[in-house]
Amino acid sequence: GAGVSQSPRYKVAKRGQDVALRCDPISGHVSLFWYQQALGQGPEFLTYFQNEAQLDKSGLPSDRFFAERPEGSVSTLKIQRTQQEDSAVYLCASSLALGLAGRENPYNEQFFGPGTRLTVL
Amino acid sequence: GIQVEQSPPDLILQEGANSTLRCNFSDSVNNLQWFHQNPWGQLINLFYIPSGTKQNGRLSATTVATERYSLLYISSSQTTDSGVYFCAVRSGSARQLTFGSGTQLTVLP
Repeated sequence: GAGVSQSPRYKVAKRGQDVALRCDPISGHVSLFWYQQALGQGPEFLTYFQNEAQLDKSGLPSDRFFAERPEGSVSTLKIQRTQQEDSAVYLCASSLALGLAGRENPYNEQFFGPGTRLTVL
Repeated sequence: GIQVEQSPPDLILQEGANSTLRCNFSDSVNNLQWFHQNPWGQLINLFYIPSGTKQNGRLSATTVATERYSLLYISSSQTTDSGVYFCAVRSGSARQLTFGSGTQLTVLP
């Protein structure tokens, strides 16, 4: 596709339900990122994939959050036993390159999807 | 981790006016991006500019990496420029972006 796509765009869950959020990155992009954006704030990093390998999950707020990218393209962010504080917009981003540290490489430019707005009641 | 500060937090302009948004960061960066988040929440890429100056239509950006700041210039602002402008950086061994808190721009007709 032309850009990063995410589904669903909106999700309402009752507290305690499990949810799954999908991200389709730009075709051929090696790096995939998940961010969480609370109301009125900038996005915050959750986790990073290089192809199918999850290389960094330091931003996941609890063990209820789980992400996967089994074939190195589509990724799913799963939240188990949702809590009200999980309400936020979840953004997915992808970049062409590996994001190698210390490199000023335009192929590391990240492109974002439209996000999934999760509301936990 | 790296700190990113944006100013001003809020800016209200009359259509046709010019503006300058600032982004300060606390450490050297490998990547700096400016985004416009439209009212529907979509982050739109404006510039990839870890150093130097770029221009795209009415928008231009300058990053002075040695002094740890970047500026976004908007000339002849239009109502469609309204939204939140974010600066985001990548530093050190991190692969992810660290975002500032944004500048909320409102352009009045």
